[in-house]
Order: sequence, then structure tokens, then C-alpha cells
Amino acid sequence: EVQLVQSGAEVKKPGESLKISCKGSGYNFATWWIGWVRQVPGKGLEGMGVIYPGDSETRFSPSFQGQVTISADKSINTAYLQWSSLKASDTAMYFCVSPGLGVWGQGTMVTVSS
Amino acid sequence: DIVMTQTPLSLPVTLGQPASISCRSSQSLEHSDGNTYLSWLQQRPGQPPRLLIYKISNRFSGVPDRFSGSGAGTDFTLKISRVEAEDVGVYYCMQATHGMCSFGQGTNVEIQ
Repeated sequence: EVQLVQSGAEVKKPGESLKISCKGSGYNFATWWIGWVRQVPGKGLEGMGVIYPGDSETRFSPSFQGQVTISADKSINTAYLQWSSLKASDTAMYFCVSPGLGVWGQGTMVTVSS
Repeated sequence: DIVMTQTPLSLPVTLGQPASISCRSSQSLEHSDGNTYLSWLQQRPGQPPRLLIYKISNRFSGVPDRFSGSGAGTDFTLKISRVEAEDVGVYYCMQATHGMCSFGQGTNVEIQ
């Protein structure tokens, strides 16, 4: 079964760093793009960026360029979304998705509050 | 950025009746490989999005055949032939042709 399994919910303070993960299984992880999607509570879906795990090529939506880092380790079938300094406005649910396979992770809730 | 525009944003429906959602993109979604990477997603409250339709008109595994997709270029439609209670939720169109995923605003389908 093709799956994307994300790391658990996080509660952080403004200014802290964070790295969340998305582990793929049941398919050749290196050869399918992985995307990260933000959903602020009560709002719609926003594409943040994508990565090709085979060579780590990344592309960002202009709104998120420079705000987050996307990386992947194909040896352990895992993609990452990282912040160096969180803001309260980063509070949201974050999903990983394989657009080509049509599979979504279960989501990681990130809460940033002092 | 590709802008995806859905209409309507709210869709009250009657059980057993058809429903239709439109999605328009700011640029053609036809890829150089000949495919059009336009999908439809359903999101029920408290759940992650679920893929219903991919490449305009292909139903994903396990999706009931009352869901269908059509369109080409920049204009696409999702139809539900007979709405059931479990179809309540928010529906999104999504494009993955232009190197990034981008989404419509979402259409809230509710039973009236």
C-alpha cells in the first residue's frame, strides 16, 4: 500500500526552529515529486513547494520562498519541511502529498504560541 | 503562479439531486508530455484531503462512479450525479502541471 506518514503535532514558541517529516512507503520514493501544503485553520489549501527526492530539486511558491526549507533523504524515504524561526502566523496544519500518486499524508498540526 | 478559480464557493444541494462545480485556471494546464494534471479533492471536516479525480476525468481507486470530471485547457468541471449525505465537505481543484501544486479556493457542499 502506498502511504505517506507524517510526524506528530508540535507546539512551539515564536523564534524557535522546527523540522517536520513525511515518510513514504510502498513505492519508489526517489522517483515521485513530494509537495508540502499549508492549511490555516478554517481556510483553504496552499501549495508551499515541491521536491524531487532523486536529486533534491526543489521549487517554491513565491509566497513561501525564503520562509521555509524543503529537503529529502532518499536513503530513508523521508521528506522534510523546516523553519529556522517560527512565527505565530505559521500556526497551521501541514500536509505532504505525492501529486503524481494522489496520496496525502495525515497532516501535522503546528501551533506557534508564546 | 497559476491561479485556480472555483465557482460556486458554496453549494447547497438536495439529496439525490445532481451537483456541479467549475474550476478555471489562469493558464492552460496541458503539460508538454500531453497530460493535463488537473485533480479534484474532497475534504471532510477534520480529515486530510482525499483524491477523487486525477488527470481531468480519471476516478481514483475506490471513488464512487457518481463522481465524474470533464474539461480541457483552462476550464474544468466536477459533477456528482446524485448527491449522498456522505458527500458533504469541501471540494478543491488542484493543478500540478506547472511545477507546483496550486488549488482553487474550495467549494463547500452542504445538504439543504
